[in-house]
Amino acid sequence: DTGVSQNPRHKITKRGQNVTFRCDPISEHNRLYWYRQTLGQGPEFLTYFQNEAQLEKSRLLSDRFSAERPKGSFSTLEIQRTEQGDSAMYLCASSDPGQGATNEKLFFGSGTQLSVL
Amino acid sequence: AQKITQTQPGMFVQEKEAVTLDCTYDTSDPSYGLFWYKQPSSGEMIFLIYQGSYDQQNATEGRYSLNFQKARKSANLVISASQLGDSAMYFCAMIEGGSTLGRLYFGRGTQLTVWP
Repeated sequence: DTGVSQNPRHKITKRGQNVTFRCDPISEHNRLYWYRQTLGQGPEFLTYFQNEAQLEKSRLLSDRFSAERPKGSFSTLEIQRTEQGDSAMYLCASSDPGQGATNEKLFFGSGTQLSVL
Repeated sequence: AQKITQTQPGMFVQEKEAVTLDCTYDTSDPSYGLFWYKQPSSGEMIFLIYQGSYDQQNATEGRYSLNFQKARKSANLVISASQLGDSAMYFCAMIEGGSTLGRLYFGRGTQLTVWP
């Protein structure tokens, strides 16, 4: 399978704990994105990497959130001191480097469903 | 203001019939792209179809077509000959030319149910 892979698929944690998710993009894609999807809503942009550089962060990404892509391949998203409001599906996507500004097709993974108790 | 509005929380269609899912958008950027994604219960967002703001013709991809009405800021998805496997959430999304690469704005989605 050469699609975007996310682990774990599900994570249940207690409030105040730290969690980390991993995303493996399609191998030739140098752009990687994190989105968050809460119940009944469409996905919302969190952050974007071009290779290892984090180029954009949404205001949704509070100081408790940190994302890395150390070697320009896989990425991790860490949430520190989780809160119940962090419960959501966290989606990762990657895109083809040949895309233009408005026709960039994102390939999404199946997401990590986080539940904070 | 919402950049993408999908007014149909749920739609039902009989197998082999056509169905239209509504989407309106709001932007002042003359350059933008419009997308439709399908999200089955497995959670993965699957790209269906794309329409650029400067495209003169409506986009088509197999059974999917996009009814693009620029003056009305409307980008409805038409699925012809519905199949049971089409049952899923459908999201309309937009990217603006002046925005961050890959920063899609999504609507709330429409849950499509295809019945036999």
